[in-house]
Amino acid sequence: GAGVSQSPRYKVAKRGQDVALRCDPISGHVSLFWYQQALGQGPEFLTYFQNEAQLDKSGLPSDRFFAERPEGSVSTLKIQRTQQEDSAVYLCASSWDRLAGADEQYFGPGTRLTVT
Amino acid sequence: TQLLEQSPQFLSIQEGENLTVYCNSSSVFSSLQWYRQEPGEGPVLLVTVVTGGEVKKLKRLTFQFGDARKDSSLHITAAQPGDTGLYLCAGGVRDRDDKIIFGKGTRLHILP
Repeated sequence: GAGVSQSPRYKVAKRGQDVALRCDPISGHVSLFWYQQALGQGPEFLTYFQNEAQLDKSGLPSDRFFAERPEGSVSTLKIQRTQQEDSAVYLCASSWDRLAGADEQYFGPGTRLTVT
Repeated sequence: TQLLEQSPQFLSIQEGENLTVYCNSSSVFSSLQWYRQEPGEGPVLLVTVVTGGEVKKLKRLTFQFGDARKDSSLHITAAQPGDTGLYLCAGGVRDRDDKIIFGKGTRLHILP
């Protein structure tokens, strides 16, 4: 497809389990972003990649959160030892090239994570 | 800390009415985007504004970027139930802290 895709769309994890969330950006988009969104709130920045380089990870809430984009395309957000406060929608977005001035982002549908 | 404040947080109006929502900051933005998000979906880009004072129209939606590039407004004429959703503004900051900042959104509900 032409848009950003994310999988799974829904994930239920027991507290303490590890989860991996996948993002397939728009083909050719250099920049990729991960956000966390609580119910009824705006997206909160987690991390940002330019190709395979993670240029900003200042929004990751703890060292349990890890993101990678090894080949500069697909990205995975991993959360280790999940806690209830990790329950949220995780959004992925891509843009043509942030460093070249393209601030417009194209979002995937999100993964709703529920930690029980 | 850079913040983008959106107001109002919630707005519920009758179909056919006009409305304006606002996005304000003390930061200067290189560009500003407006998105609309519906339940269970990701935000969808509506428009981007770049130049201070710029006005863009998208059917019944009018977007304006402040002269100083610190604020923006979205005006909807003759609101329709299909306009219901969460409206988000996001600004690109290009200084020592190179970031894109999102506001918390305005939740709009149009009553038929």
